[in-house]
Amino acid sequence: GQQLNQSPQSMFIQEGEDVSMNCTSSSIFNTWLWYKQDPGEGPVLLIALYKAGELTSNGRLTAQFGITRKDSFLNISASIPSDVGIYFCAGQKGGSEKLVFGKGTKLTVNP
Amino acid sequence: GAVVSQHPSRVICKSGTSVKIECRSLDFQATTMFWYRQFPKQSLMLMATSNEGSKATYEQGVEKDKFLINHASLTLSTLTVTSAHPEDSSFYICSARDETGGRSYNSPLHFGNGTRLTVT
Repeated sequence: GQQLNQSPQSMFIQEGEDVSMNCTSSSIFNTWLWYKQDPGEGPVLLIALYKAGELTSNGRLTAQFGITRKDSFLNISASIPSDVGIYFCAGQKGGSEKLVFGKGTKLTVNP
Repeated sequence: GAVVSQHPSRVICKSGTSVKIECRSLDFQATTMFWYRQFPKQSLMLMATSNEGSKATYEQGVEKDKFLINHASLTLSTLTVTSAHPEDSSFYICSARDETGGRSYNSPLHFGNGTRLTVT
């Protein structure tokens, strides 16, 4: 099935650094979502974006819905060890209940 | 917030047996639930859409006779892996939208904690 192009695949950073990851698609999505998954658990919703150009924050996390509706990015500022995990972007097309997921970005934060 | 509970969290079964996984929406109703499968270090792949009171909709390539889905109430969907084989070993995750107040495709999906199935 279709998947989103998510990059980078993995990141190794020092505690306190900022992080940026993004997702792109060849087609338009009406909704972009960002999830975090810890090992052995289900994804947890971080941020939901519903409008092109929308910029939304959740604590140290900021995500934007691209103007073209074909991309989205997630920024994490001042990373901490508990930010470690896999971050997934997900897109939803208009009129569809289904989500399409990116392949994930594995984040490692060194104390 | 919307909570989705999945049970069991981990199951080991012998090849040829069947395993049932439950997905419950604890504090909201969901006419639709979604079942995903995730292989190690891979993304989530949608297997099927579970519809309350009607047949599930399966994604291309997913065997409906192998992965039986029942959505008997507005808060419970079950996935039964029939005649399990080692290649069915995977992480199965369900999800649902909070449809309180009416069906809305825009409500974000909330996920259960997943079920790790190991078939020996």
